[in-house]
Amino acid sequence: DIQMTQSPSSLSASVGDRVTITCRASQGISHYLAWYQQKPRKVPKLLIYAASTLQSGVPSRFSGSGSGTDFTLTISSLQPEDVATYYCQKYNSAPFTFGQGTRLEIK
Amino acid sequence: EVQLVQSGAEVKKPGESLKISCRGSGYSFTSYWIAWVRQMPGKGLEWMGIISPGDSDIRYSPSFRGQVTISADKSISTAYLQWSSLKASDSAMYYCARRGDAFDMWGQGTMVTVSS
Repeated sequence: DIQMTQSPSSLSASVGDRVTITCRASQGISHYLAWYQQKPRKVPKLLIYAASTLQSGVPSRFSGSGSGTDFTLTISSLQPEDVATYYCQKYNSAPFTFGQGTRLEIK
Repeated sequence: EVQLVQSGAEVKKPGESLKISCRGSGYSFTSYWIAWVRQMPGKGLEWMGIISPGDSDIRYSPSFRGQVTISADKSISTAYLQWSSLKASDSAMYYCARRGDAFDMWGQGTMVTVSS
């Protein structure tokens, strides 16, 4: 099965910083990569699908890129409400494996 | 309103059985696969399995095959996740999610606590 590996596992950044999270698939998954945001004690929320398509209603400071095995989630200017854990997921076919998560905090 | 509504929190004893539910509304329930996702306390998201409500085609994660049973009743737009014999290690939050563009809609979660 394809493994999904995120880095870093946690990071701390200042308001206004540009933040980048990476996700690597152990085999190519084309563009079938999604990013989710889970705020503390809340339900996960889809941010980006097809590697770079912003889900409706998601702020434009979020962006995604990549294809094949290497993907990135970028927050162009970190806001206090972005404190959350972020997960990548492959969804081309079962198993729909998630990455282990990246916990983002404000410095 | 397009939504998935899950059944309420459960407290069970080890060895008991349990079936939790996820009802879809506001969209064509048979047109989208429904997935189940586990989140143990303080841990990440784990994909458990997925069902096509239209024909009950099911795929399980190797980690959960044989441990749980996924089913659906399309006549009432509801998917289910069930255990025949719960263990303390089954204590977790369980989410259902619609597989549209990725998992584009999630239920509110069902907390399952298994304790003697």
